[in-house]
Amino acid sequence: EVLLEESGGGLVKPGGSLRLSCAASGFTFSSYNMNWVRQAPGKGLEWVSLISSSSSYMLYADSMKGRFIISRDNAKNSLYLQMNSLRVDDTAVYYCARERAGGPDFWGQGTLVTVSS
Amino acid sequence: NFMLTQPHSVSESPGKTVTISCTRSSGSIVGNNVQWYQQRPGRAPTTVIFEHNQRPSGVPDRFSGSIDISSNSASLTIAGLKTEDEADYFCQSFDSTSRVFGGGTKLTVL
Repeated sequence: EVLLEESGGGLVKPGGSLRLSCAASGFTFSSYNMNWVRQAPGKGLEWVSLISSSSSYMLYADSMKGRFIISRDNAKNSLYLQMNSLRVDDTAVYYCARERAGGPDFWGQGTLVTVSS
Repeated sequence: NFMLTQPHSVSESPGKTVTISCTRSSGSIVGNNVQWYQQRPGRAPTTVIFEHNQRPSGVPDRFSGSIDISSNSASLTIAGLKTEDEADYFCQSFDSTSRVFGGGTKLTVL
């Protein structure tokens, strides 16, 4: 069974930083590209970033470029998202999602990030 | 970047059939797989269609996906509606530099 479990969310002040983690199990993690997707309260899904299976390339949504850094550790079956210079509008549930054929196929349950003073 | 446009909401009665559209603003709909996700309130999304028209195991065959080259759009059709189908539905596709989600469609079954 594919399992993705996010952690690291919480309350942070504007301008602060936070690091999210995603622990993967039930599949060969090193064979799959991985995504972060977020959802602001009451809003739709917004793609954040993708990292290739071997970390050879990373993609970011325009509004996250220069502030967020995606990374992975295949030896630990883990995905990460380093979020810097956080803004109030970064408040959202952040989902870790495995990629298949151009889009997510399995999703974690999400971790809530709240940016507020 | 391109956009995916969905209707904000649709409603239909139990037992009927509903279709949700997803129109791509630029780039080919056929050349880039479309996925569809169901999200119930307070829950994470789950995949109901991948690669335009493929169903994951466990998704009933009442759910089907299709694409229309002439309108550069994709559609999700749900037949024999059940009250449990009431949820938000999101389409998704990609290009060489991004993944994009549609704005979501709220399906009401009443």
